Amino acid sequence: AQKVTQAQTEISVVEKEDVTLDCVYETRDTTYYLFWYKQPPSGELVFLIRRNSFDEQNEISGRYSWNFQKSTSSFNFTITASQVVDSAVYFCALSEPPSYNTDKLIFGTGTRLQVFP
Amino acid sequence: NAGVTQTPKFQVLKTGQSMTLQCAQDMNHNSMYWYRQDPGMGLRLIYYSASEGTTDKGEVPNGYNVSRLNKREFSLRLESAAPSQTSVYFCASSEGGLGSWGNTIYFGEGSWLTVV
Repeated sequence: AQKVTQAQTEISVVEKEDVTLDCVYETRDTTYYLFWYKQPPSGELVFLIRRNSFDEQNEISGRYSWNFQKSTSSFNFTITASQVVDSAVYFCALSEPPSYNTDKLIFGTGTRLQVFP
Repeated sequence: NAGVTQTPKFQVLKTGQSMTLQCAQDMNHNSMYWYRQDPGMGLRLIYYSASEGTTDKGEVPNGYNVSRLNKREFSLRLESAAPSQTSVYFCASSEGGLGSWGNTIYFGEGSWLTVV
């Protein structure tokens, strides 16, 4: 069965600290996609990144970086020099198997990040 | 860029009342979805429509019905609301289509529904 685990329910940091959000997934598929979404206090869900299972290169986008390790089934998200505006709930998600001609996702339960000034 | 638009944003219902959440997307996407978000449970799929003319149950379909009105619109109906349906509802869409999987899903801004 497919599953996404975000073991960290809440994380609190002080501004400018680095913080890593963990995501561990389970799947029997050899090809899959992983995603991160951000949900700020305003409530909308914002897409951050999509990663194919064949692409194990780490990704960096400004202060955001993602570490994908197939050996440990993890897709961790690091925010460098955190800012108050990073305060949000972050969701990791995994694509369901390619059998339904659609793009369904399995979500983790989310990690709430609070960045204090 | 409107993306995915859902209405209403907030609604309070009495137990037993019915209501319909409306959703429209302007990205010419084939697939549309309704998720609910509850504290500590992440997002769970209620129903989805892989393409115009088709709808299928997701993980938590009981108490809901959907209609894919056309390629742009996908509505969610609560026939007889219950307190357990108090939640935040998200409509979403993706490219989808025959042979599609793993594309990015784009979400609406959410609808906060309280059933008293």
